[in-house]
Amino acid sequence: DQQVKQNSPSLSVQEGRISILNCDYTNSMFDYFLWYKKYPAEGPTFLISISSIKDKNEDGRFTVFLNKSAKHLSLHIVPSQPGDSAVYFCAASEAGSARQLTFGSGTQLTVLP
Amino acid sequence: NAGVTQTPKFQVLKTGQSMTLQCAQDMNHNSMYWYRQDPGMGLRLIYYSASEGTTDKGEVPNGYNVSRLNKREFSLRLESAAPSQTSVYFCASTTDRFNQPQHFGDGTRLSIL
Repeated sequence: DQQVKQNSPSLSVQEGRISILNCDYTNSMFDYFLWYKKYPAEGPTFLISISSIKDKNEDGRFTVFLNKSAKHLSLHIVPSQPGDSAVYFCAASEAGSARQLTFGSGTQLTVLP
Repeated sequence: NAGVTQTPKFQVLKTGQSMTLQCAQDMNHNSMYWYRQDPGMGLRLIYYSASEGTTDKGEVPNGYNVSRLNKREFSLRLESAAPSQTSVYFCASTTDRFNQPQHFGDGTRLSIL
């Protein structure tokens, strides 16, 4: 049973437009959510995170929104750039348990020039 | 700034052979983790170590053993490799401070024939 789901395996967006990546979770004990970006042949790189006490966190072109009632989070990238083309993973953890991360299956974002 | 270093980067094994994957971090982190990533799936936790001298099973521990050699190093051992263990293995580390992300190495690509 997947506790973190990314239902869109791929997404294509035109350069300069907004990219919206979505993630759903089922475990109500999750209290910390993260987005990682991954290029081929490299490890995941931390992008942005949000605690369950917030509903929005912004860092430059990247904004993460959390809707706890819907158990849904999204990552907005504005404006999208060709260098943003990568696989994006949503991850979640709960307090205690040494902060083990549960990952979604990833979304391949392609930003077209 | 090396961060998390994994060796080797690539390895091909025959079924039944043994192998140890090495991981070292230079960020003075207490917690370290081993994940595997298979095609079309997110990263899954194999084992983790919340502090030097402790290790615990994650989601998919069968067929693996780990050693937290010291604060810097956390190794993953396959005693008798099986084709189902063909995967990309990632090591990660993080601090104990509240809500800090995990930092990942670039992975070990392991093929078992």
